[in-house]
Parts: sequence; C-alpha cells; structure tokens
Amino acid sequence: AQSVTQPDIHITVSEGASLELRCNYSYGATPYLFWYVQSPGQGLQLLLKYFSGDTLVQGIKGFEAEFKRSQSSFNLRKPSVHWSDAAEYFCAAPGAGSYQLTFGKGTKLSVIP
Amino acid sequence: EAGVAQSPRYKIIEKRQSVAFWCNPISGHATLYWYQQILGQGPKLLIQFQNNGVVDDSQLPKDRFSAERLKGVDSTLKIQPAKLEDSAVYLCASSPGRVWTGELFFGEGSRLTVL
Repeated sequence: AQSVTQPDIHITVSEGASLELRCNYSYGATPYLFWYVQSPGQGLQLLLKYFSGDTLVQGIKGFEAEFKRSQSSFNLRKPSVHWSDAAEYFCAAPGAGSYQLTFGKGTKLSVIP
Repeated sequence: EAGVAQSPRYKIIEKRQSVAFWCNPISGHATLYWYQQILGQGPKLLIQFQNNGVVDDSQLPKDRFSAERLKGVDSTLKIQPAKLEDSAVYLCASSPGRVWTGELFFGEGSRLTVL
C-alpha cells in the first residue's frame, strides 16, 4: 500500500528565502506522487506530479520536486518564496490497488515579509 | 471554464440535526469525489462516483452519511444525525475520468461546525 508522511506540521520562512517541504513515501511498486496546495479559503490545487522518468519535476508557481528512491522522498522546493506562497501543502499518493489519492497531514507554510 | 461549485460554504448545526451539502462538478467530468478534511489533517476520501454509480464508499460512515449523484452530474452529501466529530470541511472534487492523471479539481469546500 502506498502512503505518504509529511514530518513538518508548520514551517516559517522569510520572503525571498528558499523553501523545502518534506514528503516521505512507502510503496510496493513504482510510486505515483503528487503535491497539492491549499490557499486560505480555497480548494486544493495540483502543483506537480511524478509518474516516472525524470526525477526532477517542474510544477506551477515556480515549484519543483525531486523523487529520490534511495531516500523514499519526494520533497517540494522553491528557490525564492513569495508572500503569496503562504498556504498549506499536501503530499499525496494513490492508495493500495486504487487510483484514489491518499493525502498526508499537510505542512502549513507561513511567510515573514 | 467554471470550477467545482459547492454550497453552502458554512453551516453550523447542533448535534443530532441533519445537514446536506451540494456539489456541481466541472462540466463533463465523469468522476466525482467527496472528501472530509478535519482540522489539522489531510483530506480523507468518503466516496467516489463514476458517472452516477458508486466506485468506492468503503470509508463512508453509512449509518449517518449518505450521498447520491443522480443523473451523473451534481451530487449531494447528507449527514443525519450529525455528531460532534463530524465538524470538518467537506470537499468535493472532480476529474475527467477518461484516463487517470491524479489531477483532481477541488471546490472551495463546505465548512461544518457541529455544536
């Protein structure tokens, strides 16, 4: 069964600083991995996804994520954070034998001006 | 293109009362999901529809929750009777359903507070 863990509940960074949000996964075969963002008062939006191939995945809003099989990780990164990036970020993967997404508990990002 | 519409946005009820949430997915999307998001947790799937048929409702508390998607378009999620632990945001999502891509399109959610 595929599952994801987000170790950090809350992260605070200064505007302009770099960002890395952690996601660890457990799975039985080739993983499908996703990052979604939930801005205040809004629904979740897909940032990027990994199915196979290139382990560095580019997404929207300047985000990228790197799949590292050796570390069972799929961390989300952004070189320079903007105040509008303040939101909650969810890592997700399909559950066992299904194409239904199971979400991590989320990491809340606060941005200091 | 219009997004996923949900209503009401907010609802406050007392325990043992009933409540219903409505969702209108993106036009043409065959698959519709209802998720429950409790404060501090990630969304948890309650039920998945493909057109007007249920694909998976294994995590739906069927003694109090029900959902339908008549005519394969909009959907209603009902809770009767509500419990305190049902306080959460109820998210509706849809996807085209032709080929699975993992991209779900979410509505803004309906926040339920049970007193």
